Amino acid sequence: DVVMTQTPLSLSVTPGQPASISCKSSQSLLHSDGKTYLYWYLQKPGQSPQLLIYEVSNRFSGVPDRFSGSGSGTDFTLKISRVEAEDVGVYYCMQSKQLPPGFGGGTKVEIK
Amino acid sequence: EVQLVESGGDLIQPGGSLRLSCAASGFTVSSNYMSWVRQAPGKGLEWVSVIYSGGSIYYADSVKGRFTISRDNSKNTLYLQMNRLRVEDTAVYYCARGWHSSSWTYYFDYWGQGTLVTVSS
Repeated sequence: DVVMTQTPLSLSVTPGQPASISCKSSQSLLHSDGKTYLYWYLQKPGQSPQLLIYEVSNRFSGVPDRFSGSGSGTDFTLKISRVEAEDVGVYYCMQSKQLPPGFGGGTKVEIK
Repeated sequence: EVQLVESGGDLIQPGGSLRLSCAASGFTVSSNYMSWVRQAPGKGLEWVSVIYSGGSIYYADSVKGRFTISRDNSKNTLYLQMNRLRVEDTAVYYCARGWHSSSWTYYFDYWGQGTLVTVSS
């Protein structure tokens, strides 16, 4: 099984400042088809998860451009260029290179 | 607009049964990969089951033999029949559409609001 490890566990950020979350996989998420199957989700308090980023760096429909994803192989990063109050919640990375899809443990983002 | 609305969650005793429903709108359930994902209280996300558009079905080892995923094409609805429930099945259960940008895998692009299943005596 592919193990997904996120750091840090929690993050407290001043509004307007950047934030960065790391996700590492135990195996490369690069497939022979050339795609890398790494995704980012945000679960706001009391809500269901929502897709932010698909295949490492593609923003899903309606996602603000302050969110960006990068990385390759086994190391990935989600960056928020300027954190806003509405960005609080738990961020999860997920892999689907090996089925079933597996999630990281989550990173809780709070506002200072 | 894609919408998923779960229902059926309840407080149930260990060993009992429950059926969850997920009514979809804005797309056709039978043409998509559909999954159930659960989240135990205060915990992370755990994939439970998937039904592919072609009808293939897969389960997490933790629920295999106890849970059954199905769909009713006429109602555009996904189901999860849960039998022999255990305390550790307590969770919010989400249905999610599995978008397959590649034919062999998928990711979750839309999620329902979730339904709470509590297994306790």
